[in-house]
Amino acid sequence: GQSLEQPSEVTAVEGAIVQINCTYQTSGFYGLSWYQQHDGGAPTFLSYNALDGLEETGRFSSFLSRSDSYGYLLLQELQMKDSASYFCAVENTDKLIFGTGTRLQVFP
Amino acid sequence: DGGITQSPKYLFRKEGQNVTLSCEQNLNHDAMYWYRQDPGQGLRLIYYSQIVNDFQKGDIAEGYSVSREKKESFPLTVTSAQKNPTAFYLCASSIGSQGAEKLFFGSGTQLSVL
Repeated sequence: GQSLEQPSEVTAVEGAIVQINCTYQTSGFYGLSWYQQHDGGAPTFLSYNALDGLEETGRFSSFLSRSDSYGYLLLQELQMKDSASYFCAVENTDKLIFGTGTRLQVFP
Repeated sequence: DGGITQSPKYLFRKEGQNVTLSCEQNLNHDAMYWYRQDPGQGLRLIYYSQIVNDFQKGDIAEGYSVSREKKESFPLTVTSAQKNPTAFYLCASSIGSQGAEKLFFGSGTQLSVL
C-alpha cells in the first residue's frame, strides 16, 4: 500500500521558522513534491525533491532523505499570508499521491 | 493567459442523477488528472490520462467516469452509483508523465447533493 503522514496542524508566529515533516511508504518513488492551498483555493506547487538534500526557493526550503523515506518543508520569516494547508505528495511513476495535509496557522 | 478552467464553480446533484464537471486546459499539457478533496482531507486521485483516448483509474474511481477525446479537455461524470458525491473536485494537468511532480490545478468545482 501507499501512505503519507504529516502533522495535522502547526501554529507559529510571524517572523518565526516552522518545519512540516512528511514520512511516506510507497511501492514506487520518483520524488517528493510540496503544495500550498489556501482555504477554498486550488493547490499551488512549491517545490520538488528527487534527490537527497535541501532545495531552497526564497523563504521556502524542502529536504529529502530517500533512505529514511522522509522529507520536510521549511518555512522561514513567516508571514500572515503563509497561513494555509501544506501537502506533501509522492511522485509514483506517472501520478502524484497526496498526504492528508498540514494546516499552518500564523499568528501576529 | 494559459491555465486550467473548471466549470461550474458550484454544482448540485439530485438523487439518481448523473452530473458532468468540465475541465479545459490551454497549456498544451499531455497529462490531466481529477482529484477529490473532502473537508480537512487530502487529495485523492479519481482518474488520470497521459494521452488522448487513454485514461487510467486512480484510487477512488468507482462511481465516476471520464473521457479524453481532445488534448485540451478531460470531463468527469459523477454517476448515480457514487453514493457520497459531496466534495470539492479539482482538475489538474502536467507536461506529461515525466512531469507529474508539478501539477497545475484549476479553481475547483464544489459538488453538493440536494
